[in-house]
Amino acid sequence: DTAVSQTPKYLVTQMGNDKSIKCEQNLGHDTMYWYKQDSKKFLKIMFSYNNKELIINETVPNRFSPKSPDKAHLNLHINSLELGDSAVYFCASSQVGTSGRLETQYFGPGTRLLVL
Amino acid sequence: LAKTTQPISMDSYEGQEVNITCSHNNIATNDYITWYQQFPSQGPRFIIQGYKTKVTNEVASLFIPADRKSSTLSLPRVSLSDTAVYYCLVGPPLNNAGNMLTFGGGTRLMVKP
Repeated sequence: DTAVSQTPKYLVTQMGNDKSIKCEQNLGHDTMYWYKQDSKKFLKIMFSYNNKELIINETVPNRFSPKSPDKAHLNLHINSLELGDSAVYFCASSQVGTSGRLETQYFGPGTRLLVL
Repeated sequence: LAKTTQPISMDSYEGQEVNITCSHNNIATNDYITWYQQFPSQGPRFIIQGYKTKVTNEVASLFIPADRKSSTLSLPRVSLSDTAVYYCLVGPPLNNAGNMLTFGGGTRLMVKP
């Protein structure tokens, strides 16, 4: 009954490979996100997506692409992996409302990616 | 987006009150202030959110002065389990298209016995 789940928890792969990380939320939220947390613990948003629009952080390389088969899932595809892609990737979700308040984000447990 | 500045780390002892201050000098009128807590090997977890003055919940209090250029997260009587990284986040509601939230480096709180 985990609210936001990610698979796999750990991912070790070689440079140049293509990999995917899956994310599912059972909160009924309409917006999902991907974050990257580097070794210095900075959390940087990569994508924000709901059924209306995809917002991309312009600093994210186009090797990264989110794919949403349905409202409850937002998977992250990474092509041609590089050493610098090694990090922890977090999926999150929130319900974008009309109250004007900043929505609370619910985070998954993270996927630890190591590129060799 | 408002940039935030927090102390890199803080130490405290069990039972003490801990106050972590975040500076956000260029906060915008429609920005909210949110604090998240992150334990090792876990995703961040929402603690508290506020717009102005004081907000209190069962976990913490958030003090925001009138100019809103800073905010202070107050954790009453911390325990060892409060050892974590605390992030201050400032931004507008996400239903404003094009707004991307950025977490700062966070404050690493170490609670000692």
